[in-house]
Amino acid sequence: SVLLYQKPNRDICQSGTSLKIQCVADSQVVSMFWYQQFQEQSLMLMATANEGSEATYESGFTKDKFPISRPNLTFSTLTVNNARPGDSSIYFCSGTDNNQAPLFGEGTRLSVL
Amino acid sequence: GDQVEQSPSALSLHEGTGSALRCNFTTTMRAVQWFQQNSRGSLINLFYLASGTKENGRLKSTFNSKESYSTLHIRDAQLEDSGTYFCAAEATEGADRLTFGKGTQLIIQP
Repeated sequence: SVLLYQKPNRDICQSGTSLKIQCVADSQVVSMFWYQQFQEQSLMLMATANEGSEATYESGFTKDKFPISRPNLTFSTLTVNNARPGDSSIYFCSGTDNNQAPLFGEGTRLSVL
Repeated sequence: GDQVEQSPSALSLHEGTGSALRCNFTTTMRAVQWFQQNSRGSLINLFYLASGTKENGRLKSTFNSKESYSTLHIRDAQLEDSGTYFCAAEATEGADRLTFGKGTQLIIQP
């Protein structure tokens, strides 16, 4: 089955800076998504990463704040722009492949000071 | 309202006992997935069901799409079962997107 790798696993950044999170699948996946999880809370879908085109964002998430790229079927990046302490959370990428169980990366734990 | 209503929010069991977690859905779902989130934050896939019942060791899960619910049964609970459990469901029109329940914090006591 497909494995998803996220990098970095954790990071600490200063307010106002930007951070890029990478997600790599070891084989092609049809759909890729990004989720955000605040401490002690559930996962919230941020956006669908569309291959070769703009991501589709859920309510409350914008491309200016969280630009997402997906140049091919195995790779996606999520950027957190102008990071604030309120962005401190775990970010997960997820990939699915036609009626198979969705798979998740290990998550990236972000702390913004 | 929430599409995925998970209960209970917290549960404490003694080793060797069992219980069930439940998710109710307010819209038609085509599949459900159950996860355990460990202390490092990683999501461990327990089950993925489009219908019926699956069993794996001390865990068993059922998904009834028609009646809009899913359950996760744990028997003979062990200390390592402690963690947060999430159900997540795919709507019939949702292209593999998952909507998560709020989670159940499970504590296993000796």
